[in-house]
Amino acid sequence: DAGITQSPRHKVTETGTPVTLRCHQTENHRYMYWYRQDPGHGLRLIHYSYGVKDTDKGEVSDGYSVSRSKTEDFLLTLESATSSQTSVYFCAISPVGQSGEQYFGPGTRLTVT
Amino acid sequence: DQQVKQNSPSLSVQEGRISILNCDYTNSMFDYFLWYKKYPAEGPTFLISISSIKDKNEDGRFTVFLNKSAKHLSLHIVPSQPGDSAVYFCAGTGGNKLVFGAGTILRVKS
Repeated sequence: DAGITQSPRHKVTETGTPVTLRCHQTENHRYMYWYRQDPGHGLRLIHYSYGVKDTDKGEVSDGYSVSRSKTEDFLLTLESATSSQTSVYFCAISPVGQSGEQYFGPGTRLTVT
Repeated sequence: DQQVKQNSPSLSVQEGRISILNCDYTNSMFDYFLWYKKYPAEGPTFLISISSIKDKNEDGRFTVFLNKSAKHLSLHIVPSQPGDSAVYFCAGTGGNKLVFGAGTILRVKS
């Protein structure tokens, strides 16, 4: 299994508070991704990174920001959490050059009350 | 704009029989298609992929078929086992970003 961890694994927060989720990898893969999984929508890409300090938006990036200051860490920040951001968040990593194959972390369940 | 569609939310199959999961796509730029399997409270895990220049790829009990003219792919699991019960996602990629379908819940009854 690819070495990916996510923290925290569960979080409950109130509307309007900032939240940061962390993804940490030990594989030295170049690409890192943040997805959210919601019923009826599958996995939707929020942001991704193709190198240190190189990031780009995905399909559902509004209300989220990311940072990658080291190869191994990719942070997802909700600046002011809303109830619509209640979801399960997955981080994924990918080596360059493979056929799109990504390896996923265990997920973070976030509840915004 | 759903580029990848899995029109069956769920599928129930008897142990030992064949499971067929279907997926349709609209983006002609996809050059690889992948299937992922997800158990509750875990991250998705890669199952099998197929290049857009192939029409079949097989790995043990799992075979993926691609029909480019119909923009359709399917995953066959033979024989199905109770441990195959999970959510299955298909995805397409034209680079390093995956576009996922909504998933199909497979239940294999023993």
